[in-house]
Amino acid sequence: GQQLNQSPQSMFIQEGEDVSMNCTSSSIFNTWLWYKQDPGEGPVLLIALYKAGELTSNGRLTAQFGITRKDSFLNISASIPSDVGIYFCAGGTNNNDMRFGAGTRLTVKP
Amino acid sequence: GAVVSQHPSRVICKSGTSVKIECRSLDFQATTMFWYRQFPKQSLMLMATSNEGSKATYEQGVEKDKFLINHASLTLSTLTVTSAHPEDSSFYICSAMKVAVSTDTQYFGPGTRLTVL
Repeated sequence: GQQLNQSPQSMFIQEGEDVSMNCTSSSIFNTWLWYKQDPGEGPVLLIALYKAGELTSNGRLTAQFGITRKDSFLNISASIPSDVGIYFCAGGTNNNDMRFGAGTRLTVKP
Repeated sequence: GAVVSQHPSRVICKSGTSVKIECRSLDFQATTMFWYRQFPKQSLMLMATSNEGSKATYEQGVEKDKFLINHASLTLSTLTVTSAHPEDSSFYICSAMKVAVSTDTQYFGPGTRLTVL
């Protein structure tokens, strides 16, 4: 099946710094989604992207659907301690098939 | 909105017993729900796709007789872990697919922590 490569696996940053993470695939997706998971909780949808080239913001978060439909990135600006968590990308194909990246574990030092 | 609930949030059971976990889409109908398992510090592992009114589709390596899935209505799917053993202890998360015109988005429940003694 399609594989998603998410990087980096983990990040340790200082509060106030910007963060960038991305997902790439050898296959084309019709949807790219970014989720955040806090410990002991289910993933929460942050941003959904439905069109190639689409750039969408949600507060300090910005994500883009790559023009080739094989990649996506998520940026977090001016990080704060509550940004700590695991961020997952997910690619969907409109036939109930969604693949998840392995996650990026973000640690923010105050 | 798109709210998905799971019940119970946490369950401890004895080895050999069965445990049922419910997943509900509270403000939308979901013809498709998914069940995932997550081990500590790992990504989500899809166990099965639950389709309303039909049999679930299980991923390779997932025992359908051990993890019984029922999707009896457009807002409810249940996962029953039968004859649970300690190795079944894990974090189980469901998601529900909200279908839009040409896009599908999964919304996750808060998860159920299962501990089998």
